[in-house]
Amino acid sequence: KNEVEQSPQNLTAQEGEFITINCSYSVGISALHWLQQHPGGGIVSLFMLSSGKKKHGRLIATINIQEKHSSLHITASHPRDSAVYICAANYGGATNKLIFGTGTLLAVQP
Amino acid sequence: DTAVSQTPKYLVTQMGNDKSIKCEQNLGHDTMYWYKQDSKKFLKIMFSYNNKELIINETVPNRFSPKSPDKAHLNLHINSLELGDSAVYFCASSQAGTRHYEQYFGPGTRLTVT
Repeated sequence: KNEVEQSPQNLTAQEGEFITINCSYSVGISALHWLQQHPGGGIVSLFMLSSGKKKHGRLIATINIQEKHSSLHITASHPRDSAVYICAANYGGATNKLIFGTGTLLAVQP
Repeated sequence: DTAVSQTPKYLVTQMGNDKSIKCEQNLGHDTMYWYKQDSKKFLKIMFSYNNKELIINETVPNRFSPKSPDKAHLNLHINSLELGDSAVYFCASSQAGTRHYEQYFGPGTRLTVT
C-alpha cells in the first residue's frame, strides 16, 4: 500500500465541469505538493501547501492536516486541463524528500 | 532560459551498456534530485544532493551512481544496463533550508533498454 493515496485513478469530465481530485496520506507531513504532468511528459509544480487553501486561476488546492487529506479542484474545466495530476507528501526533515501518489489521469472532453 | 535541463531527452541502448544522463539547473538552487518514473507513471526518488553532498540515497542498485561536480549539475551514470532500467528519469532542483520549497523538474529522459 502506497503511503500516499490518490483518487480517482482515472477521471473523464465534460468541458465546464467542476473537478475534484483527492489525496490522502498516512502520517503527519510538513507540506503537500500538487504536480501536473501533460501528455508530452513535463512535470510542473502547481501548489505546495502546509495548511489551508491556495488558489491559482481556476485551480484550488486545500489541505486538512487533522484528517490527513488534500484536494485539488479545477473550476470550469477545459480540454487543456487534460493531464496526470500527482500529489506528493513531504515528510519533513532536512532532505525535502517527496513520496508520490499514484496519479490521477484526467481527460476533459469538449 | 531553461530552468532545469536534461540531456539526452531520449536514450535507446542495449543491455549491458553504460550510459549517463546529465542535468543542469540555472536557478541558483542548492538541492538537486533524481527521480524514476515507471511505466505506470509512478514517481520515486532515487537520489538527492545538497551543495554537492549526497543527502538521499534510496534503495537503488549500485549500478546507479550520481555525481555532482558543482551545485548546478547532477549527473546520473548507469552501469550494466538492464531491461528493468527502462523508464523516464527526471531531474529536479529546489532551494534548501528548513522551510519547504517547490521543486522544479527537468523535461525528463526516456531511457529504453533493449
